[in-house]
Amino acid sequence: EAGVAQSPRYKIIEKRQSVAFWCNPISGHATLYWYQQILGQGPKLLIQFQNNGVVDDSQLPKDRFSAERLKGVDSTLKIQPAKLEDSAVYLCASSLVGRGLGEQYFGPGTRLTVT
Amino acid sequence: QQQVKQSPQSLIVQKGGISIINCAYENTAFDYFPWYQQFPGKGPALLIAIRPDVSEKKEGRFTISFNKSAKQFSLHIMDSQPGDSATYFCAASMVSTGSYQLTFGKGTKLSVIP
Repeated sequence: EAGVAQSPRYKIIEKRQSVAFWCNPISGHATLYWYQQILGQGPKLLIQFQNNGVVDDSQLPKDRFSAERLKGVDSTLKIQPAKLEDSAVYLCASSLVGRGLGEQYFGPGTRLTVT
Repeated sequence: QQQVKQSPQSLIVQKGGISIINCAYENTAFDYFPWYQQFPGKGPALLIAIRPDVSEKKEGRFTISFNKSAKQFSLHIMDSQPGDSATYFCAASMVSTGSYQLTFGKGTKLSVIP
């Protein structure tokens, strides 16, 4: 079974530029999460989708971050404009709905550096 | 704010020794406590998890001990190996409410030296 795929793996941009990350979850996983992991900290949830609907985006800085999940499969996370403090690893995770304890499977992440 | 506090921040253990990482939580509504292992350049991977109806769960060399009254849980790695060197995160969620969102601790960087 293929895991969660993310691209790009690394991205370096200047502040005030925009950037987009892509995630393809495990096949059949209806729930998709985006996390931000700042160096030396645990992942922090940004947004949760179930199919193509948003379940929780309370921690998403909506003035600069946006996310969508078209057709309930792939998802993109965008930052516009980027700030220095956005430098982090952006992790995508997916899980089955209503199965077990909602075990989440993580992708390798995209490491963003804002200069 | 819902928090999960993790300690120590870093840990150095000799090969064959026992590694112990501790976590404490505040929200009594948490009812699912997983541990994730993360290697450099990789995403976190589920290692072992426990629910509060049991006090201990063991899978191979990994054991979770859970103390509901103290709101604490810990990961024990027996016979630690250099390949166990990674960052470990405890987490918590409220699955019985239908919320599977994970709240993570800050992580423990484990180094197992030969």
